[in-house]
Amino acid sequence: NAGVMQNPRHLVRRRGQEARLRCSPMKGHSHVYWYRQLPEEGLKFMVYLQKENIIDESGMPKERFSAEFPKEGPSILRIQQVVRGDSAAYFCASSPLDRGRGEQYFGPGTRLTVT
Amino acid sequence: SQKIEQNSEALNIQEGKTATLTCNYTNYSPAYLQWYRQDPGRGPVFLLLIRENEKEKRKERLKVTFDTTLKQSLFHITASQPADSATYLCALDIAGNMLTFGGGTRLMVKP
Repeated sequence: NAGVMQNPRHLVRRRGQEARLRCSPMKGHSHVYWYRQLPEEGLKFMVYLQKENIIDESGMPKERFSAEFPKEGPSILRIQQVVRGDSAAYFCASSPLDRGRGEQYFGPGTRLTVT
Repeated sequence: SQKIEQNSEALNIQEGKTATLTCNYTNYSPAYLQWYRQDPGRGPVFLLLIRENEKEKRKERLKVTFDTTLKQSLFHITASQPADSATYLCALDIAGNMLTFGGGTRLMVKP
């Protein structure tokens, strides 16, 4: 049973470009969470999605960031017009239970570097 | 505002000893608390979950306590091994929709 998959593992973008991060949850999990981890800092919640629905995006910046989890295919975290401050590790997690009421299974992360 | 505090300084212990890590929180009453392990360059891995009505939980060499009066959880690793060296994160359910993580404590077990 494959774990949570994320790709790419490393992504380099110039300022102003778009970054698109993908996450495939574990089989049977329909709840996806995105977190951001800055160097030497803890994980910060960004957004919680179920299939075709954004449930909670309270941790996501209002501008330039968007997320989706379509009926078919992976969840996508999209960052438009990236800036240097967006450089971080972005982790996706999935769970079989809703509203964070259980353990979450994390992917290996995508390390975004903005030059 | 809600705050979760873990000792930001690295904890260095000798192999075979018990490691004890602390997680303190303020201004919230979580229904449960979780502990994760994170190795450099990798995603966190779930270790244990303890609910507010549980005082203690064990899994192999791991033990977690949860004191809702003190607003504190202790995470113990007995008979520690160099392979236990990692950063350990505590996480609370806040607002019911997501986990809020502490900054983590780095544990170094020396042979």
